[in-house]
Amino acid sequence: RKEVEQDPGPFNVPEGATVAFNCTYSNSASQSFFWYRQDCRKEPKLLMSVYSSGNEDGRFTAQLNRASQYISLLIRDSKLSDSATYLCVVNSPGGNTGKLIFGQGTTLQVKP
Amino acid sequence: DAGVIQSPRHEVTEMGQEVTLRCKPISGHDYLFWYRQTMMRGLELLIYFNNNVPIDDSGMPEDRFSAKMPNASFSTLKIQPSEPRDSAVYFCASSWRLAATDTQYFGPGTRLTVL
Repeated sequence: RKEVEQDPGPFNVPEGATVAFNCTYSNSASQSFFWYRQDCRKEPKLLMSVYSSGNEDGRFTAQLNRASQYISLLIRDSKLSDSATYLCVVNSPGGNTGKLIFGQGTTLQVKP
Repeated sequence: DAGVIQSPRHEVTEMGQEVTLRCKPISGHDYLFWYRQTMMRGLELLIYFNNNVPIDDSGMPEDRFSAKMPNASFSTLKIQPSEPRDSAVYFCASSWRLAATDTQYFGPGTRLTVL
């Protein structure tokens, strides 16, 4: 089983749609969770951290369910510029808390 | 700030040749990471440094790969000899601390093709 699993998609949605991505992680000892965004042929960039209580940043909402080892990202009112690959990222448990494990990514294509 | 700088941006070489990838982290960042990204395996951590010292190289695929950080502003990843299966995008990233709350900033990557 992969340490971080995501549905690769692609998710093809019209502008204005709401879309949700899910991610599961295997090690219950992981403590930190993130979503990174990667545009085509570009480097990954931090989109947002994921906190236990859930958190929102504009049109983006991230949620964490520790019991199910499940992370989600909700994008409301999709824009063309949201088209990218979204990487679910979990820190490696143990002493090296900053060592990150990346999922394979979920590709989103927003169409006009 | 210029961000993380990597060179070259593209590299095409023949099997058996030595390849050297270069990285300049963001000034003041104490941690430097080398990643490899392929379609099959996604983004994988190869090695990371703290204050120029290699801390964890468990992701380095084999002895053909080596990494150095001679000073705080420069690191290299070397592949010798290169093989076609090494073809990938290699990213360098840096962060201020290793705390999980600290963002890792990625460079633009080096796209390596080994023929």
